[in-house]
Amino acid sequence: DTAVSQTPKYLVTQMGNDKSIKCEQNLGHDTMYWYKQDSKKFLKIMFSYNNKELIINETVPNRFSPKSPDKAHLNLHINSLELGDSAVYFCASSQDAGVGGRYGYTFGSGTRLTVV
Amino acid sequence: AQKITQTQPGMFVQEKEAVTLDCTYDTSDPSYGLFWYKQPSSGEMIFLIYQGSYDQQNATEGRYSLNFQKARKSANLVISASQLGDSAMYFCAMRDAWGNTPLVFGKGTRLSVIA
Repeated sequence: DTAVSQTPKYLVTQMGNDKSIKCEQNLGHDTMYWYKQDSKKFLKIMFSYNNKELIINETVPNRFSPKSPDKAHLNLHINSLELGDSAVYFCASSQDAGVGGRYGYTFGSGTRLTVV
Repeated sequence: AQKITQTQPGMFVQEKEAVTLDCTYDTSDPSYGLFWYKQPSSGEMIFLIYQGSYDQQNATEGRYSLNFQKARKSANLVISASQLGDSAMYFCAMRDAWGNTPLVFGKGTRLSVIA
Protein backbone atom coordinates (compact mmCIF):
# COMPACT_ATOMS: atom_id res chain seq x y z
CA ASP A 1 0.00 0.00 0.00
CA THR A 2 1.30 3.44 -0.95
CA ALA A 3 1.67 5.60 2.17
CA VAL A 4 1.20 9.01 0.49
CA SER A 5 -0.28 8.92 -2.98
CA GLN A 6 -0.60 11.81 -5.37
CA THR A 7 -2.49 11.97 -8.62
CA PRO A 8 -1.78 12.69 -11.35
CA LYS A 9 1.94 12.03 -11.65
CA TYR A 10 2.22 14.22 -14.73
CA LEU A 11 0.03 17.15 -15.72
CA VAL A 12 0.46 19.16 -18.91
CA THR A 13 -1.94 22.02 -19.42
CA GLN A 14 -2.33 25.36 -21.13
CA MET A 15 -2.00 28.77 -19.55
CA GLY A 16 -5.20 30.02 -18.03
CA ASN A 17 -6.62 26.59 -17.23
CA ASP A 18 -7.69 25.41 -13.77
CA LYS A 19 -6.31 22.12 -12.46
CA SER A 20 -6.30 20.04 -9.29
CA ILE A 21 -3.80 17.67 -7.73
CA LYS A 22 -5.06 15.11 -5.23
CA CYS A 23 -3.22 13.69 -2.25
CA GLU A 24 -4.16 10.93 0.15
CA GLN A 25 -2.25 9.39 3.04
CA ASN A 26 -3.05 6.12 4.82
CA LEU A 27 -0.56 6.56 7.66
CA GLY A 28 -2.98 8.10 10.15
CA HIS A 29 -0.87 11.25 10.27
CA ASP A 30 -2.43 14.44 11.56
CA THR A 31 -0.55 16.95 9.44
CA MET A 32 -0.26 17.25 5.67
CA TYR A 33 1.75 19.62 3.51
CA TRP A 34 2.22 20.87 -0.01
CA TYR A 35 5.72 21.69 -1.23
CA LYS A 36 6.83 23.16 -4.55
CA GLN A 37 10.13 22.08 -6.09
CA ASP A 38 11.34 24.51 -8.72
CA SER A 39 13.59 23.87 -11.70
CA LYS A 40 16.67 24.34 -9.51
CA LYS A 41 15.40 21.60 -7.18
CA PHE A 42 14.67 23.97 -4.32
CA LEU A 43 11.86 22.71 -2.08
CA LYS A 44 9.62 25.34 -0.55
CA ILE A 45 6.65 24.90 1.77
CA MET A 46 3.35 26.17 0.42
CA PHE A 47 0.68 25.01 2.85
CA SER A 48 0.27 22.93 5.96
CA TYR A 49 -2.92 21.42 7.36
CA ASN A 50 -3.37 19.86 10.77
CA ASN A 51 -6.54 17.84 11.23
CA LYS A 52 -8.22 19.65 8.33
CA GLU A 53 -7.28 23.09 9.65
CA LEU A 54 -4.94 25.37 7.73
CA ILE A 55 -1.95 26.17 9.94
CA ILE A 56 0.66 27.41 7.48
CA ASN A 57 0.06 29.47 4.37
CA GLU A 58 3.29 30.78 2.96
CA THR A 59 3.40 33.59 0.46
CA VAL A 60 1.59 31.79 -2.30
CA PRO A 61 -0.62 33.45 -4.93
CA ASN A 62 -4.28 33.14 -4.04
CA ARG A 63 -4.74 31.25 -7.30
CA PHE A 64 -3.56 28.28 -5.23
CA SER A 65 -6.21 26.93 -2.90
CA PRO A 66 -5.75 23.85 -0.73
CA LYS A 67 -8.73 21.82 0.37
CA SER A 68 -8.78 19.20 3.12
CA PRO A 69 -12.07 17.29 3.29
CA ASP A 70 -10.66 15.05 6.04
CA LYS A 71 -7.32 14.53 7.68
CA ALA A 72 -6.31 11.83 5.19
CA HIS A 73 -6.74 14.07 2.13
CA LEU A 74 -5.22 17.35 1.05
CA ASN A 75 -5.93 18.51 -2.47
CA LEU A 76 -4.42 21.46 -4.30
CA HIS A 77 -6.46 23.47 -6.75
CA ILE A 78 -4.78 25.98 -9.03
CA ASN A 79 -6.71 28.60 -10.96
CA SER A 80 -5.61 30.52 -14.04
CA LEU A 81 -2.36 28.59 -14.46
CA GLU A 82 0.73 30.57 -15.45
CA LEU A 83 4.01 29.49 -17.04
CA GLY A 84 5.80 30.11 -13.73
CA ASP A 85 3.63 27.52 -12.02
CA SER A 86 5.53 24.78 -13.86
CA ALA A 87 7.25 22.75 -11.15
CA VAL A 88 7.06 19.50 -9.23
CA TYR A 89 4.51 19.60 -6.42
CA PHE A 90 4.99 17.27 -3.48
CA CYS A 91 2.44 16.30 -0.92
CA ALA A 92 3.75 15.09 2.44
CA SER A 93 2.45 14.04 5.82
CA SER A 94 3.86 13.78 9.34
CA GLN A 95 2.88 12.62 12.77
CA ASP A 96 1.51 15.07 15.25
CA ALA A 97 3.92 17.75 16.41
CA GLY A 98 3.64 16.56 20.00
CA VAL A 99 5.92 13.59 19.48
CA GLY A 100 8.91 15.89 19.42
CA GLY A 101 9.61 16.22 15.76
CA ARG A 102 11.61 13.02 15.56
CA TYR A 103 9.64 11.82 12.61
CA GLY A 104 10.31 13.44 9.31
CA TYR A 105 7.83 13.75 6.57
CA THR A 106 6.64 11.01 4.28
CA PHE A 107 6.44 12.37 0.77
CA GLY A 108 4.27 11.45 -2.14
CA SER A 109 5.96 10.71 -5.45
CA GLY A 110 5.34 14.22 -6.76
CA THR A 111 3.28 15.73 -9.57
CA ARG A 112 5.19 17.29 -12.42
CA LEU A 113 3.10 20.20 -13.66
CA THR A 114 4.00 21.71 -17.02
CA VAL A 115 2.16 24.81 -18.17
CA VAL A 116 2.47 25.56 -21.89
CA ALA B 1 13.50 31.62 11.26
CA GLN B 2 15.37 28.49 10.32
CA LYS B 3 17.90 28.29 7.55
CA ILE B 4 19.82 25.42 6.00
CA THR B 5 22.95 25.95 3.92
CA GLN B 6 24.44 23.33 1.64
CA THR B 7 27.49 24.80 -0.02
CA GLN B 8 28.34 21.94 -2.38
CA PRO B 9 26.16 22.06 -5.50
CA GLY B 10 27.80 18.92 -6.82
CA MET B 11 30.15 16.20 -5.59
CA PHE B 12 31.90 13.27 -7.20
CA VAL B 13 33.03 10.15 -5.36
CA GLN B 14 34.64 6.94 -6.47
CA GLU B 15 32.65 3.76 -5.91
CA LYS B 16 33.43 2.12 -2.53
CA GLU B 17 34.88 5.34 -1.13
CA ALA B 18 33.32 7.41 1.65
CA VAL B 19 31.93 10.88 1.02
CA THR B 20 30.83 13.74 3.28
CA LEU B 21 28.04 16.09 2.29
CA ASP B 22 28.09 19.37 4.18
CA CYS B 23 25.17 21.01 5.92
CA THR B 24 25.12 24.00 8.24
CA TYR B 25 22.04 25.41 9.85
CA ASP B 26 20.78 28.40 11.74
CA THR B 27 17.90 28.49 14.19
CA SER B 28 16.75 30.21 17.34
CA ASP B 29 14.79 27.15 18.50
CA PRO B 30 16.34 25.48 21.56
CA SER B 31 15.19 22.05 20.39
CA TYR B 32 15.14 20.95 16.81
CA GLY B 33 15.52 18.02 14.48
CA LEU B 34 17.82 17.63 11.51
CA PHE B 35 17.03 15.36 8.56
CA TRP B 36 18.62 14.14 5.39
CA TYR B 37 16.64 13.12 2.34
CA LYS B 38 17.73 11.49 -0.91
CA GLN B 39 16.09 12.29 -4.23
CA PRO B 40 17.15 9.93 -7.04
CA SER B 41 16.53 10.76 -10.67
CA SER B 42 13.14 9.05 -10.42
CA GLY B 43 12.07 12.00 -8.26
CA GLU B 44 10.80 10.53 -5.00
CA MET B 45 11.96 11.90 -1.66
CA ILE B 46 13.50 9.21 0.53
CA PHE B 47 14.11 9.81 4.24
CA LEU B 48 17.64 8.74 5.24
CA ILE B 49 18.52 9.79 8.76
CA TYR B 50 17.44 11.97 11.68
CA GLN B 51 19.41 13.76 14.43
CA GLY B 52 17.77 15.42 17.39
CA SER B 53 19.46 18.46 18.85
CA TYR B 54 19.66 16.87 22.30
CA ASP B 55 20.63 13.39 21.17
CA GLN B 56 23.79 12.33 22.93
CA GLN B 57 25.16 10.31 20.06
CA ASN B 58 25.51 10.93 16.37
CA ALA B 59 22.85 9.14 14.34
CA THR B 60 23.70 6.16 12.17
CA GLU B 61 21.55 4.20 9.73
CA GLY B 62 23.40 1.50 7.84
CA ARG B 63 25.94 3.18 5.55
CA TYR B 64 24.69 6.63 6.53
CA SER B 65 25.95 8.52 9.54
CA LEU B 66 25.46 12.07 10.64
CA ASN B 67 28.43 14.06 11.92
CA PHE B 68 26.59 16.44 14.26
CA GLN B 69 28.59 19.33 15.70
CA LYS B 70 26.13 21.44 17.63
CA ALA B 71 28.52 24.25 18.52
CA ARG B 72 29.41 24.66 14.87
CA LYS B 73 25.78 24.23 13.81
CA SER B 74 26.72 21.59 11.31
CA ALA B 75 25.09 18.27 10.45
CA ASN B 76 27.14 16.64 7.75
CA LEU B 77 26.03 13.40 6.14
CA VAL B 78 28.67 10.71 5.72
CA ILE B 79 28.02 7.92 3.24
CA SER B 80 30.43 5.03 3.57
CA ALA B 81 31.31 2.56 0.82
CA SER B 82 29.55 4.53 -1.93
CA GLN B 83 27.54 2.61 -4.46
CA LEU B 84 26.42 3.59 -7.95
CA GLY B 85 22.85 3.71 -6.64
CA ASP B 86 23.84 6.50 -4.26
CA SER B 87 23.99 8.93 -7.20
CA ALA B 88 21.20 11.38 -6.41
CA MET B 89 20.34 14.78 -4.96
CA TYR B 90 20.73 14.98 -1.19
CA PHE B 91 18.84 17.47 0.90
CA CYS B 92 19.50 18.56 4.45
CA ALA B 93 16.44 19.81 6.32
CA MET B 94 15.35 20.89 9.76
CA ARG B 95 12.29 21.64 11.84
CA ASP B 96 11.71 22.64 15.45
CA ALA B 97 11.25 19.74 17.84
CA TRP B 98 7.52 20.35 18.30
CA GLY B 99 6.51 20.69 14.69
CA ASN B 100 5.53 24.32 15.01
CA THR B 101 7.56 25.10 11.92
CA PRO B 102 7.51 23.18 8.67
CA LEU B 103 10.48 21.23 7.40
CA VAL B 104 12.91 23.72 5.85
CA PHE B 105 15.25 22.41 3.17
CA GLY B 106 18.66 23.36 1.89
CA LYS B 107 19.32 23.73 -1.83
CA GLY B 108 20.71 20.24 -2.09
CA THR B 109 23.91 18.57 -3.25
CA ARG B 110 24.04 16.43 -6.35
CA LEU B 111 26.22 13.39 -5.68
CA SER B 112 27.63 11.40 -8.56
CA VAL B 113 29.27 8.06 -7.84
CA ILE B 114 31.87 7.02 -10.41
CA ALA B 115 32.67 3.39 -11.17
